[in-house]
Amino acid sequence: DADVTQTPRNRITKTGKRIMLECSQTKGHDRMYWYRQDPGLGLRLIYYSFDVKDINKGEISDGYSVSRQAQAKFSLSLESAIPNQTALYFCATSDPTGKFGANTGELFFGEGSRLTVL
Amino acid sequence: SQQGEEDPQALSIQEGENATMNCSYKTSINNLQWYRQNSGRGLVHLILIRSNEREKHSGRLRVTLDTSKKSSSLLITASRAADTASYFCATDRNGNKLVFGAGTILRVKS
Repeated sequence: DADVTQTPRNRITKTGKRIMLECSQTKGHDRMYWYRQDPGLGLRLIYYSFDVKDINKGEISDGYSVSRQAQAKFSLSLESAIPNQTALYFCATSDPTGKFGANTGELFFGEGSRLTVL
Repeated sequence: SQQGEEDPQALSIQEGENATMNCSYKTSINNLQWYRQNSGRGLVHLILIRSNEREKHSGRLRVTLDTSKKSSSLLITASRAADTASYFCATDRNGNKLVFGAGTILRVKS
């Protein structure tokens, strides 16, 4: 089973609809992130969370909101989707302490959620 | 704006050749990381180099970091068709979040 799981993997929706992308992890990491990937632009950070009570805006947070329901779950919402939010969305986790054996600061990514807004 | 900028945008080589990708960044960093992404998949961490390190090796990968020039390079030796992927550098300024570049698309022809 994947350590970082995103659902749905693919979604087609219409302008104005509310969309939620969900992410769950079994790595026990405190830090979770949502990135957006567009061709030629790399990955841009939308929101990040360092623990259940912590939410921080990233580079491109306008039009998005997040919820950290538990240490293992971090969801991304588009309240009213628009076509330029069509993109590939990635959830990632990290462990800043290194207690799980990985390099501190290394990100572990889910497989992505491809969202198309018509 | 992107902190890291990769060069070239795309690279096509023959199997067995070496592939070199470069990354430039704008501000001081804690560490720089390289990731690989197969088409349509999630990114996978390859290697991390800290600001006080100049070179690191991992298997066929060699990463260098020149903090005076704010640049890094990733060398893949003896490339294989399976190395075909996009490669991204990412910089960590303060241990809080990574900022990614736009990536280099590598194609290894067999």
